[in-house]
Order: sequence, then structure tokens, then C-alpha cells
Amino acid sequence: AQRVTQPEKLLSVFKGAPVELKCNYSYSGSPELFWYVQYSRQRLQLLLRHISRESIKGFTADLNKGETSFHLKKPFAQEEDSAMYYCALSRFNTDKLIFGTGTRLQVFP
Amino acid sequence: DSGVTQTPKHLITATGQRVTLRCSPRSGDLSVYWYQQSLDQGLQFLIQYYNGEERAKGNILERFSAQQFPDLHSELNLSSLELGDSALYFCASSVSGLAGELPNEQYFGPGTRLTVT
Repeated sequence: AQRVTQPEKLLSVFKGAPVELKCNYSYSGSPELFWYVQYSRQRLQLLLRHISRESIKGFTADLNKGETSFHLKKPFAQEEDSAMYYCALSRFNTDKLIFGTGTRLQVFP
Repeated sequence: DSGVTQTPKHLITATGQRVTLRCSPRSGDLSVYWYQQSLDQGLQFLIQYYNGEERAKGNILERFSAQQFPDLHSELNLSSLELGDSALYFCASSVSGLAGELPNEQYFGPGTRLTVT
């Protein structure tokens, strides 16, 4: 069965510090991986997806099939990055998303 | 607002009752997805509809059902409610969701908070 694991419920850093939000997945096929973000009082929105290979708001994520990981990274955290981050997996041929439990990122000034 | 809309925002009801949650997708989106977010289970996929037809099913209880109407809005019906059904119910929509395609970005609504007392 497919599964997404985000081991940290809460990650607290100071502004300017590097950030890494961990995501591991289990899936025997070729997954499509996403990071969704939910800022305070806003709806869940897509941050980035691995097939795009983009950097959004300074965040990047690399799919490591050997380690079955898709960690989200940012070299210098900003206060406005404080939010709930969800890693999600989807399979080719279906759009349904399997979410991790989420990590709350707190960036202190 | 051309985004995904959900009504009502909040719903408080008693055990054993039945409620209907409504979702209107983004203009042009044909797929609608329902998710349940509870404290202990996180965000769980319930069901997907594409252009009026059921496309995929997840961890949806038999007491729950959904449908998508010709105007593409969707309703999630929850019956014989239990305390454990208290949760945030999200609707999302995407352009297609057809087999053979790469997954599309899903756009989420603000959610309906259901409280069962």
C-alpha cells in the first residue's frame, strides 16, 4: 500500500536558518510527489511537484528513489514561510492524493 | 470567487443525523475530490468524481456517499453520524483526472467543519 511519512510534527527555526522538512514514501511503482502548503487561515495550495523541478518561494525538493524520499528544503527561512506543510503522493493514472500527516514549520524572527 | 467553494463553513449536528456538504469546483474543472481531515487520521482521500461519474474511491465509509451533478457541483452525504465523524471535510477540483495522464494540480476549497455532538 502507498504511504507517506512526515516524521516531524513541528519544526522550529530562526529566520535565515536552513530548513529541511522530511518526507518518505512507500510505493512500488513510479510515484508523483507533491508538497502542499497551508498558511494560516488560507486554503491548502500546491507548493511544488517533483516533475516540474521548479523552485517555488525558494523551496526545492528532489525525489530520491533510492531512499524513497522527497524532502523539502530552503537555504534561508523567512517568517512568512511559517505554515503547515504536507507531502503527498499520487500514482500515474490516478489523481487521488495520499497525504502525510503534515509538519508545522515555525520561523521565529 | 472563481475558486473552489464549499458550503456550509460550519455544521453542528447530533449523532445519528444526516448532513449534506456541498462543493462547487473551479470553472472548467471536471474532477472533484473529497478529503477528510481529522486529528488522528490526517488528510484522507474519500472519493473522486469526474464529469459526473465516480472515478476513484478511498477510505470512504458505507454511511457516506457522494455524487456529482450535471453542473459539476458535488455533494457529500454523511448519514448515521458518529462522534468520530467530526472533522474538516475538504473538496478539491482539477482540470481532468483521466487515466493515462500525469496527475493534475488539485485546487482546494476552504473546507466544511463538521462537529457531531
